[in-house]
Amino acid sequence: GDSVTQMEGPVTLSEEAFLTINCTYTATGYPSLFWYVQYPGEGLQLLLKATKADDKGSNKGFEATYRKETTSFHLEKGSVQVSDSAVYFCALSDHGYALNFGKGTSLLVTP
Amino acid sequence: SQTIHQWPATLVQPVGSPLSLECTVEGTSNPNLYWYRQAAGRGLQLLFYSVGIGQISSEVPQNLSASRPQDRQFILSSKKLLLSDSGFYLCAWSAGGGDYGYTFGSGTRLTVV
Repeated sequence: GDSVTQMEGPVTLSEEAFLTINCTYTATGYPSLFWYVQYPGEGLQLLLKATKADDKGSNKGFEATYRKETTSFHLEKGSVQVSDSAVYFCALSDHGYALNFGKGTSLLVTP
Repeated sequence: SQTIHQWPATLVQPVGSPLSLECTVEGTSNPNLYWYRQAAGRGLQLLFYSVGIGQISSEVPQNLSASRPQDRQFILSSKKLLLSDSGFYLCAWSAGGGDYGYTFGSGTRLTVV
């Protein structure tokens, strides 16, 4: 079935460093792809999405490009801040009722 | 605008006790509703989803159940909690299927002791 694989964390970066969190997917069709962020003790918030190949989702300085040829949707940010410390989830929709989530990648940004 | 409310925020329950978690959505009609569980160090596990009143689909067999008595109300229940039921429970809604993305509630931290 459809699935999402994320890089294992935790990822620790210094403030202003470049961030990449890898996400690859397995799907039989052309899924929609999402990144969600979860701050400590809170629910998940939609960060960005892309619905077709070569689409780029962006929000709050984060970007991810839907790459069909490599079945990837890597999350990037040019300069992270301490406030970006959170758990990031990649997710896939195969156009059914529910989203398939990856296991999450914890990010810690130090001053 | 649409909002989702989930309560309680924190709950400590003894093994064998019953459970009732409630989730309500405002500002929309006929939403798809979802219950997820997030165990420590693990990802999100879809427990139940509902596409309409009284319509419940279960993804994982367990001692939990869900009900949707009203269009914008989704309840997660158990008759007898197990230690393994501990976790962070998240309710979410969607305007349609997964393509629309979800809006999540703030979650309930359940500890079974």
